[in-house]
Amino acid sequence: NAGVTQTPKFQVLKTGQSMTLQCAQDMNHNSMYWYRQDPGMGLRLIYYSASEGTTDKGEVPNGYNVSRLNKREFSLRLESAAPSQTSVYFCASSEFGGTDNEKLFFGSGTQLSVL
Amino acid sequence: RKEVEQDPGPFNVPEGATVAFNCTYSNSASQSFFWYRQDCRKEPKLLMSVYSSGNEDGRFTAQLNRASQYISLLIRDSKLSDSATYLCVVNIGRGYQKVTFGIGTKLQVIP
Repeated sequence: NAGVTQTPKFQVLKTGQSMTLQCAQDMNHNSMYWYRQDPGMGLRLIYYSASEGTTDKGEVPNGYNVSRLNKREFSLRLESAAPSQTSVYFCASSEFGGTDNEKLFFGSGTQLSVL
Repeated sequence: RKEVEQDPGPFNVPEGATVAFNCTYSNSASQSFFWYRQDCRKEPKLLMSVYSSGNEDGRFTAQLNRASQYISLLIRDSKLSDSATYLCVVNIGRGYQKVTFGIGTKLQVIP
């Protein structure tokens, strides 16, 4: 059982380049999320998808776009990368997001460096 | 004041020791609480939920103090494998944006 799979694990971009981070979950979860983690800061929500067909902005959405391709897949796109987007990105899923007791399952992360 | 505050540590403790971490939260409307564990350069993984009555899972005990707005994690008989960063996670209510992560407390268990 793979859980949450995200690719790539590492990526180096030049300022202005674009790229898409891929995420897929095989737990039949309804909700999916993209977080970024920076030193000295807690994980911050970029975008989330409550259910298939819906997406919404989180705390730090600027510079990103997302696509909920189907129930399994949720991708994150950087259209024009900036050095401020250097971070570790985590995709996560939960069975019924938005409830009081939601438990998050994370992918293994993408280390992104923008030069 | 940050919504969720943790001492980043590191806490360096010998094998077999008991160690406790606290986490304070600012929003009194917070509904649910969790501890996640994150190994170096890995993803966070749920360690345990924190219930009002307190709960225990083996060597780990979590407590919630709503009056003082903090949660705690106690680890007894520390093992080398407990070395990790422990993230405090607070859900301030229904809604997908309401889950807030602390910066984590780093624990290093020394032989």
